[in-house]
Amino acid sequence: DVKVTQSSRYLVKRTGEKVFLECVQDMDHENMFWYRQDPGLGLRLIYFSYDVKMKEKGDIPEGYSVSREKKERFSLILESASTNQTSMYLCASSSSSGPYEQYFGPGTRLTVT
Amino acid sequence: EDKVVQSPLSLVVHEGDTVTLNCSYEVTNFRSLLWYKQEKKAPTFLFMLTSSGIEKKSGRLSSILDKKELFSILNITATQTGDSAIYLCAVEAGSSNTGKLIFGQGTTLQVKP
Repeated sequence: DVKVTQSSRYLVKRTGEKVFLECVQDMDHENMFWYRQDPGLGLRLIYFSYDVKMKEKGDIPEGYSVSREKKERFSLILESASTNQTSMYLCASSSSSGPYEQYFGPGTRLTVT
Repeated sequence: EDKVVQSPLSLVVHEGDTVTLNCSYEVTNFRSLLWYKQEKKAPTFLFMLTSSGIEKKSGRLSSILDKKELFSILNITATQTGDSAIYLCAVEAGSSNTGKLIFGQGTTLQVKP
């Protein structure tokens, strides 16, 4: 059974803290993605990676960075958390050879106070 | 700019009703359209459509794509309370095979007993 896991389901951090969100997939997928989901806005792409050490900005990369040192792991970093980064964060992965169906993790609900 | 628009944004029906969810898109180099269902956690894949006019079906759910008019519909017949969820439409488009998806805002469906 395919699996994408995220390090935390719920996280509460203070403004200014550095936050790490981790995602691990066991499907040997080349592509991995980080989204944030806010009511009425759907899923918005923050960053994606199509190979180890490769990354590309999505639609809303400001305030975020990513790291992909191993194929199965993709980390999202909030260098200095702010209250407007309170959101649901979803990680996904897909094969690079198609079909490009993305498999999602359970999400991390981050609250920044 | 590529965009995907879903309607309605929310819907309340009673068990047994039939619902139709809409997804329209304006993208460059359309490749495929995907539907996902999201309950309390990770979005789960429902359908992928690439060809116009061919209906995909799974139980009470069905979907069809119209590439000429640039839209898709998701039908759910004989709705049940377990169909209550957010339904997400996403389009894969663009010139490179990165597997990036553009998501709509989602339709929140509530099915009352």
